[in-house]
Amino acid sequence: NAGVTQTPKFRVLKTGQSMTLLCAQDMNHEYMYWYRQDPGMGLRLIHYSVGEGTTAKGEVPDGYNVSRLKKQNFLLGLESAAPSQTSVYFCASRAGASGGGTAIDTDTQYFGPGTRLTVL
Amino acid sequence: GESVGLHLPTLSVQEGDNSIINCAYSNSASDYFIWYKQESGKGPQFIIDIRSNMDKRQGQRVTVLLNKTVKHLSLQIAATQPGDSAVYFCAENSGYSTLTFGKGTMLLVSP
Repeated sequence: NAGVTQTPKFRVLKTGQSMTLLCAQDMNHEYMYWYRQDPGMGLRLIHYSVGEGTTAKGEVPDGYNVSRLKKQNFLLGLESAAPSQTSVYFCASRAGASGGGTAIDTDTQYFGPGTRLTVL
Repeated sequence: GESVGLHLPTLSVQEGDNSIINCAYSNSASDYFIWYKQESGKGPQFIIDIRSNMDKRQGQRVTVLLNKTVKHLSLQIAATQPGDSAVYFCAENSGYSTLTFGKGTMLLVSP
Protein backbone atom coordinates (compact mmCIF):
# COMPACT_ATOMS: atom_id res chain seq x y z
CA ASN A 1 0.00 0.00 0.00
CA ALA A 2 1.25 3.46 -0.87
CA GLY A 3 -1.03 4.95 1.79
CA VAL A 4 -1.80 8.61 1.15
CA THR A 5 -0.04 10.29 -1.76
CA GLN A 6 -0.09 13.91 -2.86
CA THR A 7 0.82 15.57 -6.14
CA PRO A 8 2.61 17.80 -6.81
CA LYS A 9 5.24 18.00 -4.05
CA PHE A 10 6.16 21.60 -4.82
CA ARG A 11 4.55 24.37 -6.83
CA VAL A 12 5.11 28.07 -7.40
CA LEU A 13 2.18 30.16 -8.64
CA LYS A 14 1.69 33.79 -9.52
CA THR A 15 -1.13 35.73 -7.91
CA GLY A 16 -4.39 35.03 -9.73
CA GLN A 17 -3.35 31.69 -11.21
CA SER A 18 -5.33 28.56 -10.52
CA MET A 19 -4.26 25.05 -9.68
CA THR A 20 -5.50 21.73 -8.34
CA LEU A 21 -3.81 19.59 -5.71
CA LEU A 22 -4.50 15.88 -5.89
CA CYS A 23 -4.72 13.52 -2.94
CA ALA A 24 -5.05 9.78 -3.44
CA GLN A 25 -5.41 6.97 -0.91
CA ASP A 26 -5.40 3.22 -1.51
CA MET A 27 -6.75 2.16 1.88
CA ASN A 28 -10.44 2.29 0.92
CA HIS A 29 -10.96 5.02 3.54
CA GLU A 30 -14.31 6.80 3.73
CA TYR A 31 -13.09 10.12 5.12
CA MET A 32 -10.61 12.50 3.57
CA TYR A 33 -9.28 15.87 4.71
CA TRP A 34 -7.31 18.86 3.48
CA TYR A 35 -5.23 20.90 5.93
CA ARG A 36 -2.85 23.78 5.65
CA GLN A 37 0.13 24.25 7.92
CA ASP A 38 1.72 27.62 8.57
CA PRO A 39 4.58 28.50 10.96
CA GLY A 40 3.35 28.59 14.55
CA MET A 41 -0.24 27.83 13.51
CA GLY A 42 -0.39 24.05 13.62
CA LEU A 43 -2.70 22.24 11.20
CA ARG A 44 -5.91 23.97 10.17
CA LEU A 45 -8.72 22.14 8.42
CA ILE A 46 -9.74 23.57 5.03
CA HIS A 47 -12.36 21.12 3.77
CA TYR A 48 -13.20 17.51 4.36
CA SER A 49 -15.30 14.69 2.95
CA VAL A 50 -17.17 11.93 4.75
CA GLY A 51 -17.73 9.90 1.61
CA GLU A 52 -17.71 9.86 -2.17
CA GLY A 53 -19.69 12.77 -3.57
CA THR A 54 -19.85 14.71 -0.26
CA THR A 55 -17.77 17.63 1.00
CA ALA A 56 -17.93 20.00 3.95
CA LYS A 57 -16.19 23.20 5.07
CA GLY A 58 -13.58 23.20 7.75
CA GLU A 59 -12.04 26.02 9.75
CA VAL A 60 -10.47 27.98 6.85
CA PRO A 61 -12.40 27.20 3.62
CA ASP A 62 -12.34 30.61 1.91
CA GLY A 63 -10.49 30.69 -1.41
CA TYR A 64 -10.55 26.91 -1.82
CA ASN A 65 -12.88 24.39 -3.41
CA VAL A 66 -12.85 20.61 -3.24
CA SER A 67 -14.31 17.64 -5.04
CA ARG A 68 -14.63 13.94 -4.18
CA LEU A 69 -15.85 12.31 -7.36
CA LYS A 70 -14.10 9.02 -6.58
CA LYS A 71 -13.69 7.46 -3.16
CA GLN A 72 -9.92 7.24 -3.46
CA ASN A 73 -9.31 10.83 -4.61
CA PHE A 74 -9.85 14.22 -2.98
CA LEU A 75 -9.00 17.32 -5.01
CA LEU A 76 -8.25 20.77 -3.60
CA GLY A 77 -8.61 23.69 -5.99
CA LEU A 78 -7.42 27.26 -5.81
CA GLU A 79 -9.35 29.32 -8.37
CA SER A 80 -7.38 32.55 -7.98
CA ALA A 81 -4.27 32.11 -5.86
CA ALA A 82 -3.25 34.78 -3.36
CA PRO A 83 0.03 35.22 -1.44
CA SER A 84 -1.87 34.41 1.78
CA GLN A 85 -2.31 30.88 0.41
CA THR A 86 1.42 30.26 0.53
CA SER A 87 1.60 27.27 2.85
CA VAL A 88 2.25 23.57 3.15
CA TYR A 89 -0.86 21.55 2.34
CA PHE A 90 -1.51 18.13 3.82
CA CYS A 91 -4.10 15.58 2.91
CA ALA A 92 -5.28 12.91 5.33
CA SER A 93 -7.65 9.98 5.26
CA ARG A 94 -9.47 7.97 7.86
CA ALA A 95 -11.28 4.65 7.75
CA GLY A 96 -14.67 5.73 9.08
CA ALA A 97 -16.92 5.85 12.12
CA SER A 98 -15.78 3.76 15.06
CA GLY A 99 -18.06 1.05 16.35
CA GLY A 100 -18.62 1.27 20.08
CA GLY A 101 -15.10 2.36 20.99
CA THR A 102 -13.38 -0.89 20.13
CA ALA A 103 -12.31 -0.06 16.61
CA ILE A 104 -10.03 2.72 17.81
CA ASP A 105 -7.95 2.75 14.67
CA THR A 106 -10.90 3.75 12.48
CA ASP A 107 -10.71 7.27 13.93
CA THR A 108 -7.03 7.74 13.18
CA GLN A 109 -6.18 10.11 10.35
CA TYR A 110 -3.24 9.14 8.16
CA PHE A 111 -1.37 11.92 6.42
CA GLY A 112 0.31 12.35 3.06
CA PRO A 113 3.79 13.87 2.60
CA GLY A 114 2.53 17.37 1.84
CA THR A 115 2.62 19.91 -1.00
CA ARG A 116 4.65 23.08 -0.55
CA LEU A 117 2.91 25.93 -2.39
CA THR A 118 4.33 29.39 -2.88
CA VAL A 119 2.22 32.16 -4.35
CA LEU A 120 4.19 35.16 -5.59
CA GLY B 1 10.60 21.46 8.39
CA GLU B 2 12.22 24.41 10.07
CA SER B 3 9.26 26.64 9.28
CA VAL B 4 6.98 24.26 11.19
CA GLY B 5 9.11 24.78 14.31
CA LEU B 6 9.08 28.56 14.24
CA HIS B 7 7.93 30.04 17.58
CA LEU B 8 7.07 26.61 18.99
CA PRO B 9 7.68 25.62 22.61
CA THR B 10 10.82 23.51 22.68
CA LEU B 11 11.89 20.65 24.91
CA SER B 12 15.60 19.82 24.88
CA VAL B 13 16.75 16.52 26.35
CA GLN B 14 19.82 14.31 26.36
CA GLU B 15 19.83 10.97 24.60
CA GLY B 16 18.65 8.27 26.99
CA ASP B 17 16.53 10.61 29.11
CA ASN B 18 12.77 10.24 29.38
CA SER B 19 10.77 13.00 27.69
CA ILE B 20 7.38 14.33 28.67
CA ILE B 21 5.42 16.51 26.26
CA ASN B 22 2.29 18.15 27.55
CA CYS B 23 -0.90 19.32 25.89
CA ALA B 24 -3.96 21.12 27.19
CA TYR B 25 -7.14 20.52 25.25
CA SER B 26 -10.15 22.74 25.11
CA ASN B 27 -13.31 20.71 24.65
CA SER B 28 -14.53 18.73 27.66
CA ALA B 29 -16.82 16.77 25.32
CA SER B 30 -13.90 15.41 23.26
CA ASP B 31 -13.72 11.65 23.51
CA TYR B 32 -10.72 10.78 21.37
CA PHE B 33 -7.15 12.06 21.39
CA ILE B 34 -4.13 11.42 19.20
CA TRP B 35 -0.44 12.22 19.30
CA TYR B 36 1.39 12.80 16.02
CA LYS B 37 5.10 13.18 15.26
CA GLN B 38 6.24 15.39 12.40
CA GLU B 39 9.81 15.25 11.15
CA SER B 40 11.30 17.98 9.05
CA GLY B 41 9.78 18.06 5.55
CA LYS B 42 7.36 15.20 6.19
CA GLY B 43 3.70 14.74 7.00
CA PRO B 44 2.46 14.05 10.54
CA GLN B 45 2.91 10.43 11.58
CA PHE B 46 0.55 8.67 14.00
CA ILE B 47 2.19 7.70 17.33
CA ILE B 48 -0.52 6.69 19.75
CA ASP B 49 -4.14 7.44 20.59
CA ILE B 50 -6.48 7.14 23.54
CA ARG B 51 -10.20 7.27 24.18
CA SER B 52 -11.77 9.21 27.03
CA ASN B 53 -12.81 6.03 28.83
CA MET B 54 -9.12 5.34 29.48
CA ASP B 55 -6.55 7.34 31.45
CA LYS B 56 -3.42 5.60 30.20
CA ARG B 57 -2.31 3.74 27.11
CA GLN B 58 1.11 2.32 26.34
CA GLY B 59 2.89 1.65 23.11
CA GLN B 60 6.46 0.87 22.22
CA ARG B 61 8.55 3.35 24.29
CA VAL B 62 5.59 5.75 24.41
CA THR B 63 2.82 6.26 26.94
CA VAL B 64 -0.10 8.64 26.73
CA LEU B 65 -1.78 9.88 29.90
CA LEU B 66 -5.17 11.55 29.94
CA ASN B 67 -6.48 13.67 32.81
CA LYS B 68 -10.03 14.65 31.97
CA THR B 69 -10.49 16.60 35.19
CA VAL B 70 -7.99 19.26 34.10
CA LYS B 71 -8.26 18.58 30.35
CA HIS B 72 -4.63 17.58 30.06
CA LEU B 73 -2.87 15.10 27.83
CA SER B 74 0.77 14.04 28.01
CA LEU B 75 3.10 11.96 25.88
CA GLN B 76 5.94 10.19 27.61
CA ILE B 77 8.84 8.88 25.53
CA ALA B 78 11.17 6.47 27.29
CA ALA B 79 14.91 6.41 26.59
CA THR B 80 14.71 9.25 24.07
CA GLN B 81 16.83 8.82 20.95
CA PRO B 82 18.14 11.36 18.40
CA GLY B 83 15.61 9.95 15.92
CA ASP B 84 12.84 11.16 18.22
CA SER B 85 13.74 14.77 17.42
CA ALA B 86 10.66 16.21 15.74
CA VAL B 87 7.59 18.36 16.34
CA TYR B 88 4.88 16.60 18.34
CA PHE B 89 1.20 17.50 18.00
CA CYS B 90 -1.74 16.50 20.11
CA ALA B 91 -5.20 16.45 18.56
CA GLU B 92 -8.72 16.04 19.93
CA ASN B 93 -11.85 15.08 18.10
CA SER B 94 -13.85 18.26 17.77
CA GLY B 95 -16.87 16.74 16.15
CA TYR B 96 -18.01 13.51 14.66
CA SER B 97 -15.57 13.61 11.78
CA THR B 98 -12.86 16.17 12.50
CA LEU B 99 -9.83 16.74 14.69
CA THR B 100 -8.53 19.96 16.25
CA PHE B 101 -4.75 20.12 16.45
CA GLY B 102 -2.57 21.85 18.99
CA LYS B 103 0.23 24.11 17.81
CA GLY B 104 2.92 21.56 18.59
CA THR B 105 6.04 21.14 20.70
CA MET B 106 9.51 20.72 19.26
CA LEU B 107 11.60 17.97 20.85
CA LEU B 108 15.36 18.28 20.44
CA VAL B 109 17.48 15.31 21.48
CA SER B 110 21.23 15.78 21.84
CA PRO B 111 23.61 12.82 21.67
